[in-house]
Amino acid sequence: KNQVEQSPQSLIILEGKNCTLQCNYTVSPFSNLRWYKQDTGRGPVSLTIMTFSENTKSNGRYTATLDADTKQSSLHITASQLSDSASYICVVSASPDYKLSFGAGTTVTVRA
Amino acid sequence: DAGVTQSPTHLIKTRGQQVTLRCSPKSGHDTVSWYQQALGQGPQFIFQYYEEEERQRGNFPDRFSGHQFPNYSSELNVNALLLGDSALYLCASRPDRGYNSPLHFGNGTRLTVT
Repeated sequence: KNQVEQSPQSLIILEGKNCTLQCNYTVSPFSNLRWYKQDTGRGPVSLTIMTFSENTKSNGRYTATLDADTKQSSLHITASQLSDSASYICVVSASPDYKLSFGAGTTVTVRA
Repeated sequence: DAGVTQSPTHLIKTRGQQVTLRCSPKSGHDTVSWYQQALGQGPQFIFQYYEEEERQRGNFPDRFSGHQFPNYSSELNVNALLLGDSALYLCASRPDRGYNSPLHFGNGTRLTVT
């Protein structure tokens, strides 16, 4: 069964600090992995997409990494801001039907 | 350019009743998917519609049904509501050929079953 596990479940950080979120998956064959940010009461919004050949990709203060051999991805948030408080969801797409598997998300709370 | 819009934003129903949720996809998108998101959990895939037909379905009972209209908008119907159906229901759209394109989500309908 294709699964996506995220850790930690939640974390609290001080404004200006960095943090790293983890995503482990068993989806096979792998097509791509995407990180979404979901603000409270809103729908998820895509941050980055990683394909098999990509190791790292940045979107502003967000940097995603992918190790396709170990089936692990991370999302690093640099110099956190209060607006980074949200749930971050890892979504893995399988090949060839592009069926999506969602993680449960990591809830990040940034405090002043 | 309007994104994905869903209505209503909130809904309260009684156990055993039926509910219809509505979704208009982002302009240019023809594929619509529905997800159920329980509090503190990731979205769970219900089904996907393309060309007015259900193309894929997740592990949800037949009480969950849907429809897609010629203008690509979609409805999600849930019959015989259970307390466990209380959740945020998200609609997402993308272009059919855009397999590497991100899903565009609406802000959801918060359904409470009492």
